[in-house]
Amino acid sequence: DTEVTQTPKHLVMGMTNKKSLKCEQHMGHRAMYWYKQKAKKPPELMFVYSYEKLSINESVPSRFSPECPNSSLLNLHLHALQPEDSALYLCASSQGGRGANIQYFGAGTRLSVL
Amino acid sequence: AQSVTQPDIHITVSEGASLELRCNYSYGATPYLFWYVQSPGQGLQLLLKYFSGDTLVQGIKGFEAEFKRSQSSFNLRKPSVHWSDAAEYFCAVAPLNTGGFKTIFGAGTRLFVKA
Repeated sequence: DTEVTQTPKHLVMGMTNKKSLKCEQHMGHRAMYWYKQKAKKPPELMFVYSYEKLSINESVPSRFSPECPNSSLLNLHLHALQPEDSALYLCASSQGGRGANIQYFGAGTRLSVL
Repeated sequence: AQSVTQPDIHITVSEGASLELRCNYSYGATPYLFWYVQSPGQGLQLLLKYFSGDTLVQGIKGFEAEFKRSQSSFNLRKPSVHWSDAAEYFCAVAPLNTGGFKTIFGAGTRLFVKA
């Protein structure tokens, strides 16, 4: 099983709402990632968790708050977003540990901020 | 500056024709190298990777890529394109000094396949 599951598939929220994106994998991977992808652009790394600890934060605004409750689950909490935050949010996981990490991607959550 | 360059924004090929997508990188040491494919509204699927060893790597769906250190290139090829290959293709690198965690993607090449 090489599946990374993201929910919901689509999300529409207002600028004052609080919502969360969820990502789950059961491959025993110990690294998990959040990416943001705008239309016709490549994915941009936001956060990396390694062994349930935040190891990379690419200077993401605090209105995005990641959480890794356990090695299989990754959340992205959203609060007071702006319309320019509308994008496809991709989750990925990899085996973890230093060295080459092949990342497996979920299908993404398409977020629209009104 | 460190970068990944895919010089072709889009490419159109006829079904059955051969394909080559270009990728160049600029890093101090050879990073880990990847090609991913993305269909509209979907996540990314790994086609192939290069870490070390044989410079010609085989991937899924009949794709292959050749690493050329002297040219800092990692071009993707397929001998005969199928209509289902129409998608966005991303070259990506993971610099060794990030432990392989930080993957940087090129801008992508959109492949159109005509009948």
